[in-house]
Amino acid sequence: GESVGLHLPTLSVQEGDNSIINCAYSNSASDYFIWYKQESGKGPQFIIDIRSNMDKRQGQRVTVLLNKTVKHLSLQIAATQPGDSAVYFCAGRVTGNQFYFGTGTSLTVIP
Amino acid sequence: DTGVSQDPRHKITKRGQNVTFRCDPISEHNRLYWYRQTLGQGPEFLTYFQNEAQLEKSRLLSDRFSAERPKGSFSTLEIQRTEQGDSAMYLCASTTINEQFFGPGTRLTVL
Repeated sequence: GESVGLHLPTLSVQEGDNSIINCAYSNSASDYFIWYKQESGKGPQFIIDIRSNMDKRQGQRVTVLLNKTVKHLSLQIAATQPGDSAVYFCAGRVTGNQFYFGTGTSLTVIP
Repeated sequence: DTGVSQDPRHKITKRGQNVTFRCDPISEHNRLYWYRQTLGQGPEFLTYFQNEAQLEKSRLLSDRFSAERPKGSFSTLEIQRTEQGDSAMYLCASTTINEQFFGPGTRLTVL
């Protein structure tokens, strides 16, 4: 089956440092990717997206990089803040309009 | 608050009972998705509607699960003869083209 997986289940960073969360996907036909943030007891919150015809996209304090050659994407969070502590998921769109999610990386920001 | 609402937020039921969940998407969004999420995992695609038409269903979706979107606005997800393995968070998301906005989810506990 399709899969979108994350390399590390947990990540701890000092407040103010940059965070990098990685994600690998298996289907080269994936045309669109989204990064989500999920806090405990809440639904996933959209952070940033990227189409497969792009290799980089920047938002406010976040950057997504896409490397189609190795089927890998990453989420970079600049100047990580305590409010960034959450579980982060990448999702890839494959056939039609189905999205596949990874298992998530739990980010803990140490004050 | 993403603008997507779900009701109820929590549901406890006994094994064998039927349950129904409701999702109200963002009004101008014509696409609506249902996902299931278990602890420590990413959301798992269940089904997808474009307007009132159910266009895709996961191959993993048991025939005890049924979803409707009768007028192309709100949607319901029914689980018949619930089993303990159905215990999970059920998430709804709506979109126009790409970005998916999730509701807060309905947490189902089957005793």
